[in-house]
Order: sequence, then structure tokens, then C-alpha cells
Amino acid sequence: EVQLVESGGGLVQPGGSLRLSCAASGFTFSTYWMTWVRQAPGKGLEWVANIKQDGSEIYYVDSVKGRFTISRDNAKNSLYLQMNSLGAEDTAVYYCARVDDNTGYLVYPYYFDYWGQGTLVTVSS
Amino acid sequence: EVVMTQSPDILSVSPGERATLSCRASESVSSNLAWYQQKPGQAPRLLIYAASRRATGLPARFSGSGSGTEFTLTISSLQSEDFAVYYCQQYDKWPPWTFGQGTKVEIK
Repeated sequence: EVQLVESGGGLVQPGGSLRLSCAASGFTFSTYWMTWVRQAPGKGLEWVANIKQDGSEIYYVDSVKGRFTISRDNAKNSLYLQMNSLGAEDTAVYYCARVDDNTGYLVYPYYFDYWGQGTLVTVSS
Repeated sequence: EVVMTQSPDILSVSPGERATLSCRASESVSSNLAWYQQKPGQAPRLLIYAASRRATGLPARFSGSGSGTEFTLTISSLQSEDFAVYYCQQYDKWPPWTFGQGTKVEIK
């Protein structure tokens, strides 16, 4: 069974930093693109960042470029999101998700087939 | 950036009735579109990918159609567990991967 478990959320002051983790199990983590998606309270879904299997390709939404860093440790089956210079606009539930494609070869970062339960990040003084 | 627009924002439907949700892309995304369901307090769940392919284990009452800029998610006979928010997402022109604003399906 595919499982994704996020951790590391919490209350942080504006300008502060936080590191989110996502522990993966039930599948061969190293063969999948992975993603972070966030959801502000009462709002819709916003894609944040993607990372390729070996970390050689990384993409960010413009609003977090230069502030957030996605990374992974395939030996530990873990995905991370380092968030710096946090602002109120970053307050959200952060979900990690597995990325799939419909080629069977896991080449393309298409859609998000399994999601964790999310971790809440609150930026407030 | 491809902008995804869903309609309506809220859809009121009686159990057993058909629900039709729409998603429009600001430019063609071919068939590279997914649908997700999200219930309160839960993570999103993949329903449909490639515009019309059902995710593993998805009941047949859910179907997706469309290509280019116009897409539809149809729930043929709404069950109580189907009342939720539904999002479309394009993965044709990235980055960024973009979602619609969501359609809430509520009990009439």
C-alpha cells in the first residue's frame, strides 16, 4: 500500500524557516517524480514544486522561487521542502504527492496519483 | 501559464441524480487533464487522468470526457459519498502545473 506521511509543519513567525519532510513507503520511491502541493485555508490547490527521480530536474511555482528548496533522499525514501523567508501568504496545508504519467515509464511529471494527509504551516506573529 | 476555469462554483444535486462538472483551459492542453476529489479534512484523491481514464478502483459512475480546452466530469448517479469538491488539473504545458478553482458538489 502506498503511504506518504508529511511532518514538520507548525507555527512560524514571518521571515522564519521551516523544513517539511515526507516519508514514503509501499512503492519504489526512487523511480517516481515527487511533488509538493499546498492549500491555503478555505482555498483551492496550488502546485508548489516537483523533483525528478534523481533530483536532476526541479521546478517551482514563481511565488516560491528563491525561497523554497525541494530535495529528496532516495536511500531514506524521503522528500523534503525547505522553506525560508516565510510570509503570511505561505500559510497552508502542504501535501506531498507521488507523480505519475500514463506511459508506464514514469518519464514525465504529469498528474498526482497518491497524496499524503498534509501538514499545516501557519506563518504568523 | 495555462489558466483552468471550472464551472459552476457550486453544484446542488439530489442523491441519485446526474452531476456534470465543467473545466475550461485558457489554451489547448490536448488530453493532458486530471480530475481530483477532495472531501473535508482529507487529501485530494485522483479520479481521472488523460481526460477520460479512471484511476484504479474508481466506480464506473465517474466518467471524464473532452480534449483541447473543454472538459467534463460526469457522475451518473450521485451517491452520498460523492458530495465533495472537485478539481481539474492540466499537465500539458508545465511548469507550472495548474488547477482549477474547484467545484463544490452539495446536497440539494
